[in-house]
Amino acid sequence: GENVEQHPSTLSVQEGDSAVIKCTYSDSASNYFPWYKQELGKRPQLIIDIRSNVGEKKDQRIAVTLNKTAKHFSLHITETQPEDSAVYFCAASGFNTNAGKSTFGDGTTLTVKP
Amino acid sequence: DVKVTQSSRYLVKRTGEKVFLECVQDMDHENMFWYRQDPGLGLRLIYFSYDVKMKEKGDIPEGYSVSREKKERFSLILESASTNQTSMYLCASSSSGTNREKLFFGSGTQLSVL
Repeated sequence: GENVEQHPSTLSVQEGDSAVIKCTYSDSASNYFPWYKQELGKRPQLIIDIRSNVGEKKDQRIAVTLNKTAKHFSLHITETQPEDSAVYFCAASGFNTNAGKSTFGDGTTLTVKP
Repeated sequence: DVKVTQSSRYLVKRTGEKVFLECVQDMDHENMFWYRQDPGLGLRLIYFSYDVKMKEKGDIPEGYSVSREKKERFSLILESASTNQTSMYLCASSSSGTNREKLFFGSGTQLSVL
């Protein structure tokens, strides 16, 4: 089955700096790569996603890049703000089942210091 | 807005008890999932269902079963709870078709087995 590795497990940055979180996956059949943000005590929520036919996608201060050959993808957050502090999960999934089940990384705890 | 509701936010049970975790979604989603979240281990898939009365094992199904008698409701059952099942349990749902990988999560049930 799919295996997703996520690094780093914790990340601390100063407000205004950039943050980068990286994930690698093992199954070349995976073709959908979402990122979820989970604030303390709250549910995970999808913040950005990318499909394998696209190399990069941006949404305001966040962007995701995908390298299919190397089987890795990254989340980039620019001009970080304290409200970006949360746990971020990457995931990978494919069309191997009707439900398109996702395999998650272990999560990165991002702390943005004011 | 998609709403995924889990019946209990916190639950305390004793070893050997039969435990039912309930999840209801109101968006007519075909797919429903149960994940377990433990610190440093990310989200691990227990079971999922892509149709009423259909179920498939995820990555860690041992000690769990599920029931999906109605489209909107997906129940996770711990036949005989054990202390190693103390965890945060997250339910999620997704639609079918091209967006089936986009997960909408419930707020979670923190289960403690004593």
